[in-house]
Amino acid sequence: AQTVTQSQPEMSVQEAETVTLSCTYDTSESNYYLFWYKQPPSRQMILVIRQEAYKQQNATENRFSVNFQKAAKSFSLKISDSQLGDTAMYFCAFMMGGSEKLVFGKGTKLTVNP
Amino acid sequence: DAMVIQNPRYQVTQFGKPVTLSCSQTLNHNVMYWYQQKSSQAPKLLFHYYDKDFNNEADTPDNFQSRRPNTSFCFLDIRSPGLGDAAMYLCATSSRGGSGGYTFGSGTRLTVV
Repeated sequence: AQTVTQSQPEMSVQEAETVTLSCTYDTSESNYYLFWYKQPPSRQMILVIRQEAYKQQNATENRFSVNFQKAAKSFSLKISDSQLGDTAMYFCAFMMGGSEKLVFGKGTKLTVNP
Repeated sequence: DAMVIQNPRYQVTQFGKPVTLSCSQTLNHNVMYWYQQKSSQAPKLLFHYYDKDFNNEADTPDNFQSRRPNTSFCFLDIRSPGLGDAAMYLCATSSRGGSGGYTFGSGTRLTVV
């Protein structure tokens, strides 16, 4: 079974600084997708960024980018120019190609301080 | 805006009293999911519907049931809630395949007293 590990239960960063959240996963599959989701306090979970395993280029969405190291099975999220609104739980998730099912990590609680 | 709506946001139920949580979507997505999220834990998939096809996870307790009467609606029934069933319940949808990611509802926080 696939597993997703987020080793940082909590992190904090100063506004305008850069922070990196770690995620590792375990799979023997070659066709899969990786995701980062953001869950603000008392609000719905939203997709931040996704990565297709067969693409070598790291995905980027505005201030959010990933460092995808396929051989190391690592998928970290970098948030640049952190904003107060980035305060949330961040979940790393894995989906095997064709499975439809997301497997989540335990999450990292990120606090952005003014 | 197209969205996933869960009702109610907060639900308090008595130990052993059946409770139903609802989810509706305007995205016309084929797949609907129910996840259970307990504090400091990863969201855990309970089951999902691919159109009308029901897919139960092997470790989902029999106490949990689901219904999908049409494309737009999906229900989670807990037949006899125990204290251990207190959690946030997340409904999500995806188009066929799901690789584009899910759209989540805001969740229902269930308290069992």
